[in-house]
Amino acid sequence: NAGVTQTPKFQVLKTGQSMTLQCAQDMNHEYMSWYRQDPGMGLRLIHYSVGAGITDQGEVPNGYNVSRSTTEDFPLRLLSAAPSQTSVYFCATKIGTGAGEQYFGPGTRLTVT
Amino acid sequence: AQTVTQSQPEMSVQEAETVTLSCTYDTSENNYYLFWYKQPPSRQMILVIRQEAYKQQNATENRFSVNFQKAAKSFSLKISDSQLGDTAMYFCAFAGAGSYQLTFGKGTKLSVIP
Repeated sequence: NAGVTQTPKFQVLKTGQSMTLQCAQDMNHEYMSWYRQDPGMGLRLIHYSVGAGITDQGEVPNGYNVSRSTTEDFPLRLLSAAPSQTSVYFCATKIGTGAGEQYFGPGTRLTVT
Repeated sequence: AQTVTQSQPEMSVQEAETVTLSCTYDTSENNYYLFWYKQPPSRQMILVIRQEAYKQQNATENRFSVNFQKAAKSFSLKISDSQLGDTAMYFCAFAGAGSYQLTFGKGTKLSVIP
């Protein structure tokens, strides 16, 4: 049982490049989400999904796309990276719907130059 | 919108001593959940303790306990018998009962001194 996995752990992009951050879970959790963490800030919600085929925006969605074709995977796409997207990205999952504690992946550190 | 405030950017404590981290929040909801997460240098986010607003009894997990004051909208974390492994960033987080979103404070960096 690997829990929540994220790849890659580190990534450097040039401005304008695109990439996909991968998130996978083996706990059969319905809810998955993406957060970003910037220095001196707590985590902020980017996008979330309550099940396969269902996604919605969080607090800071601009510049990011998501899709959820399976329960296990929830990739985050940066279509045209900008320096403002330099951050640490966390994927999280939760059992069921509604509030409750979330289980976080190990994070991806992304640098956009 | 909910807000979570952690007023202590950094704190330090001697090993084996007790330390309290402060958190206040603002919400108009009556049912919600509060959490403390620990983020060590490894970057992993680890759930320390959770509190349901409808429960009057303060949550406890081994050396970690909370002081939940619903009327004052205060949710502090007490760490007893501090250990070197407690050195980390600590984040307070809020979730409304019907919400999927966690709202985080900016964190408190705790250093345990040998």
